[in-house]
Amino acid sequence: GESVGLHLPTLSVQEGDNSIINCAYSNSASDYFIWYKQESGKGPQFIIDIRSNMDKRQGQRVTVLLNKTVKHLSLQIAATQPGDSAVYFCAEKGSGTYKYIFGTGTRLKVLA
Amino acid sequence: GAGVSQSPSNKVTEKGKDVELRCDPISGHTALYWYRQRLGQGLEFLIYFQGNSAPDKSGLPSDRFSAERTGESVSTLTIQRTQQEDSAVYLCASSLVFREAFFGQGTRLTVV
Repeated sequence: GESVGLHLPTLSVQEGDNSIINCAYSNSASDYFIWYKQESGKGPQFIIDIRSNMDKRQGQRVTVLLNKTVKHLSLQIAATQPGDSAVYFCAEKGSGTYKYIFGTGTRLKVLA
Repeated sequence: GAGVSQSPSNKVTEKGKDVELRCDPISGHTALYWYRQRLGQGLEFLIYFQGNSAPDKSGLPSDRFSAERTGESVSTLTIQRTQQEDSAVYLCASSLVFREAFFGQGTRLTVV
């Protein structure tokens, strides 16, 4: 089966600082992208999404940036809190398909 | 129900036995996905169903794995003759067409 993310990089951030989590996606034809948060022992939880006709989208304390030129996606979390500690995954969906392919997860550790 | 429900939450089975994992999607969601997540790793696509279309089985790792879905409701993932390398968390998700996927809590499978 398709599998990505055999290695989980870790980002450590001081509480109150901003976090930036990056993701390189593989398919230039992908038209929809999602960021998920996964806490230990739980299923992934939807955070924010963006379609390929946009380059930025903002939510509550989170912003997703899409750079199609270099196939790069980032998640910015403002004023990071202890509850933000989790593994974050990006997912891409190819145009005309329903299949989501997940990128390498990043573990975010918030330091008190 | 309000979310994706998976059962059982935990399953311990002996090597060589068959197991069935169940997923109840969010009502009205036409797309249903199965993913596998090994400890500390990313999400590995297994299969998805969309309405009455033929399922995309491209992620199933071997012919010991199969899945069925009844209409737009319950799905079962069956693993025959389980092996120790099948030990993982099996995650189910559902979505509306071309929208974000919502995940269940997963079934943790341990093959001993």
